[in-house]
Amino acid sequence: DGGITQSPKYLFRKEGQNVTLSCEQNLNHDAMYWYRQDPGQGLRLIYYSQIVNDFQKGDIAEGYSVSREKKESFPLTVTSAQKNPTAFYLCASTSERGRTQPQHFGDGTRLSIL
Amino acid sequence: GDSVTQMEGPVTLSEEAFLTINCTYTATGYPSLFWYVQYPGEGLQLLLKATKADDKGSNKGFEATYRKETTSFHLEKGSVQVSDSAVYFCALSSNDYKLSFGAGTTVTVRA
Repeated sequence: DGGITQSPKYLFRKEGQNVTLSCEQNLNHDAMYWYRQDPGQGLRLIYYSQIVNDFQKGDIAEGYSVSREKKESFPLTVTSAQKNPTAFYLCASTSERGRTQPQHFGDGTRLSIL
Repeated sequence: GDSVTQMEGPVTLSEEAFLTINCTYTATGYPSLFWYVQYPGEGLQLLLKATKADDKGSNKGFEATYRKETTSFHLEKGSVQVSDSAVYFCALSSNDYKLSFGAGTTVTVRA
């Protein structure tokens, strides 16, 4: 079945450490997104990419970095500059540009501080 | 900028009760509107959508109508089940790439 796979499901970060969250999709979607979810809040956009080798900052990009070397992969690195990284991270994709297109989501990675 | 306001939860209901979750929005242009559902420990799943005024989205007994005059997209279900317990998010898209989400409403249905 086609879908979005995020790994790991749970991740722990030590102080001063960078960690990378994986997102892979086999839906042949062009656009991919990373969101952060905090309790009692909606999803906030971190980064998005509409095409390979191109990506754009979202609303809360500080302390995060991404790459898009392959169409199916969009990893997110949470750097040591992100002082409050504890959250649930969701990756999404969509087949084409356009405001009518829904986004498809992975099952998320929960990041915690050790 | 775009924004979505949902009724605050949590909402607790008995099985077979009627569910309404209010959602209002502020947006430029003509947004598309979505309801997503999130079950514990999972990502979001699209529940329904509407792309123009007066459209009604429906799925799994849930319905929502795009009301441009009141800038609303309220979610309703006539008879909820325990399996409907989840967090529900209203969202809008007014351009080609970005979704704006409400804060989510937690719904618990008791047997």
